[in-house]
Amino acid sequence: DIQMTQSPSSLSASIGDRVTITCRASQNLRTYLNWYQQKPGKAPSLLIYHTSNLQNGVPSRFSGSGSGTDFTLTISSLQPEDSAIYHCQQSSTTPLTFGGGTKVEI
Amino acid sequence: QVQLVESGGAVVRPGGSLRLSCAASGFTFSDFGMHWVRQAPGKGLEWLAFIRYDGSNEYYSDSVKGRFTISRDNSKNTLYLQMNSLRPQDTAVYYCVKGNILSNSILDHWGQGTLGTVSS
Repeated sequence: DIQMTQSPSSLSASIGDRVTITCRASQNLRTYLNWYQQKPGKAPSLLIYHTSNLQNGVPSRFSGSGSGTDFTLTISSLQPEDSAIYHCQQSSTTPLTFGGGTKVEI
Repeated sequence: QVQLVESGGAVVRPGGSLRLSCAASGFTFSDFGMHWVRQAPGKGLEWLAFIRYDGSNEYYSDSVKGRFTISRDNSKNTLYLQMNSLRPQDTAVYYCVKGNILSNSILDHWGQGTLGTVSS
């Protein structure tokens, strides 16, 4: 199985800050890496698919980059509503696997 | 809009069974692969199972293979997860998730989840 490692596991930042979350895979994913946002008490929602493609309705302050084994989710200017847990997920092969999540606090 | 509504979560004893259902609406259910993903309390996400749009193939994680069965009824727009031989570590919120048109493995819509608790 492909192991996914996210860092940091949590972070605290201020409104307007640039925030970066990293995700590392144990095997080459090419660009088959997706990001999800999960707000407290809610189901996850798709944020970015295939490394850098924003899902419909996702604000442009979110962006993704990377390839192979190293990927990044960036929030260019943190907003209050961005307080959430962010999960990366590889879609290269089954079993699909997720990173451990990164909790972003304002 | 896409709606996925899970039901069937309950408290069961170890070794017991549970059948979860997911009612889908707002899209052509029979055109899309579907998944079950779970999240134990305070933990991360764990993919469990996938079924193709026509039910022709199923895939499972090792942790549930042989105990859980994913199925679907396209005439009822409903996805199921039959869970047998349940263990305390199966306690989790179970999410029904829709695959994306670009790739089945992009999880583009999630239900609200249903809680299954395994405890004596």
